[in-house]
Amino acid sequence: SAVISQKPSRDICQRGTSLTIQCQVDSQVTMMFWYRQQPGQSLTLIATANQGSEATYESGFVIDKFPISRPNLTFSTLTVSNMSPEDSSIYLCSVETGLNTGELFFGEGSRLTVL
Amino acid sequence: KQEVTQIPAALSVPEGENLVLNCSFTDSAIYNLQWFRQDPGKGLTSLLLIQSSQREQTSGRLNASLDKSSGRSTLYIAASQPGDSATYLCAVIVMAGGTSYGKLTFGQGTILTVHP
Repeated sequence: SAVISQKPSRDICQRGTSLTIQCQVDSQVTMMFWYRQQPGQSLTLIATANQGSEATYESGFVIDKFPISRPNLTFSTLTVSNMSPEDSSIYLCSVETGLNTGELFFGEGSRLTVL
Repeated sequence: KQEVTQIPAALSVPEGENLVLNCSFTDSAIYNLQWFRQDPGKGLTSLLLIQSSQREQTSGRLNASLDKSSGRSTLYIAASQPGDSATYLCAVIVMAGGTSYGKLTFGQGTILTVHP
């Protein structure tokens, strides 16, 4: 398994502002992902964070709204840009440790509330 | 498009009962299936991973089975305790090109309440 730390754990933001969420893993991992969980909903994949290159976004998510960085094998950031109340969600970082099992591990999540 | 359904949506049981949570998926071409637990406002804790070549996995009081041909998985919890109260999520994963694509498709979850 992997220990995944996310910051901030929660925040209250004003409409129109941007917030960057950090994800730190205690070991090098091959794959890192960002998921969103809207209130009362299950999880949806936003994008795959690729080390040293642009993230791969899922349908319905774009780089201008959710820019992602992954400078190395243990760290990634997700920015939620120009926030609106509809962006109020839990954002979760997920990793695959490279053991080729496909098993994913998740951080504690970052709960964002946009006023 | 893969769809994952969990039944029941909510379950309330007295402490000590054995219970079964159900998960079904529409596309049997999965690489593996993973069961998670989520406490309110928290992240996900991985409970059990069943690879497509396996039929079941066990961890303590938890047992998960997989029937790919019928597109079903069950999570069995023995001797339930109040501490088991949480949302249980089932998710399936697709592999592409021999490497993990990492795209989990989640069910909506079963909210479990175990009362003393």
